[in-house]
This record gives sequence, structure tokens and C-alpha cells, in this order.
Amino acid sequence: QKEVEQDPGPLSVPEGAIVSLNCTYSNSAFQYFMWYRQYSRKGPELLMYTYSSGNKEDGRFTAQVDKSSKYISLFIRDSQPSDSATYLCAMSYNQAGTALIFGKGTTLSVSS
Amino acid sequence: EAGVAQSPRYKIIEKRQSVAFWCNPISGHATLYWYQQILGQGPKLLIQFQNNGVVDDSQLPKDRFSAERLKGVDSTLKIQPAKLEDSAVYLCASRSQGGHYEQYFGPGTRLTVT
Repeated sequence: QKEVEQDPGPLSVPEGAIVSLNCTYSNSAFQYFMWYRQYSRKGPELLMYTYSSGNKEDGRFTAQVDKSSKYISLFIRDSQPSDSATYLCAMSYNQAGTALIFGKGTTLSVSS
Repeated sequence: EAGVAQSPRYKIIEKRQSVAFWCNPISGHATLYWYQQILGQGPKLLIQFQNNGVVDDSQLPKDRFSAERLKGVDSTLKIQPAKLEDSAVYLCASRSQGGHYEQYFGPGTRLTVT
């Protein structure tokens, strides 16, 4: 079993839809959870960062962590064509700079 | 603030040849990472530096890959000899010291081994 599982998609939605992206993980030692967005031929950029279980909102994006179920989600409201990208979940054991463990990424396409 | 710079952006080589990638992190960032991203996969750590010392190279195939970070700033990653399975995007990331968690990624070098 991989440490981090993420459905690669692809996921296609119309503009304005609510998008739900998910990851599961097996190692309960993960404490920090992130979502990165990666446009084609670009490096990943950080979207959301969470530590504790619960929800964190930033504009149209909401990150949700359920440590008891080892499950994290990213919700995108009012999706836009500019949201078309690959979304990578990432996790780390601590905040001291250890390397991130990434999921495979989910490719999202938002059509206008 | 300038981002993480990488060069070249693209490289095509034949198997058994050697190749080198260069990374210039964000100014003042003490921690530097090299990740390998195979098509359809998430990035996987190859090596992590703290200043010019290696913190983690447990997943670096040391029989063919090597990396250095001279003077704790720029870094180079070398592959010699390359194999077909080394075809991937090589991402460099950097992080400031003390507290802030975010790793900033460069645009990557896309390597194709034929």
C-alpha cells in the first residue's frame, strides 16, 4: 500500500461547478497536509496548508482534514477555466523541513 | 523576490550518456531539495540539503546520481550513466530556515532519455 493514495482522474467539470479532490494516507505520523497546484510544464505551487483536523478556507478553496479516517479533501467552489491544472496532495511528518510525500495528482479540466 | 531558477528547461540524451542540472534557490533559503517527477506521478524526493550538508539522500540512486551544493547556494544534480527510466521532470525546491513551512518549486528540467 502506497503511503498516499490519490485518484489521478482526469476530472472534467463545467465552469461554476463545485469540485472535490481527495487523498487517503496510511501513516498516522503525518501531521502537516498541503495541496499544491501544478500547471502544465510548471513547478507545483502551494495552495493550502493545514495542520489539525477540520476545515480551512481561503477564497474559493476549502481544505478539510480528517485524521481519524486518514482522509484529506480540497473543495473548489465556483470553478473557473483557470483552475484547470493538476492538484497534488502532499504530507509531511513535521514542520522542520522534511521532504514532502506527494500523491499522484488529480488532473482537473474546467470547461467554459 | 525572484523564484527558484533551474536550467536547462529541457534535455534529450541517449542512454548511457551523462547529464547535469543546475538550480539556484531563492536568496537566503537554507534548505534545498531535488525531486524527481515521473509522468503521471507526484514528485519524489531524491536529496535534501541544509546549507551545503546533505540531510537526506536515502532515495538517491547513488550508483548513477550525484548532487552537490557548493557554498550552500546553487546546486547541481548529475546522472551518469543515464537509463531510460530516468526520463522525468527534475524539480528543485527551496525553503527558508526557521518556521515557515512552504517549499517553493522551480519550473523543473524535463529529461528525455532515448
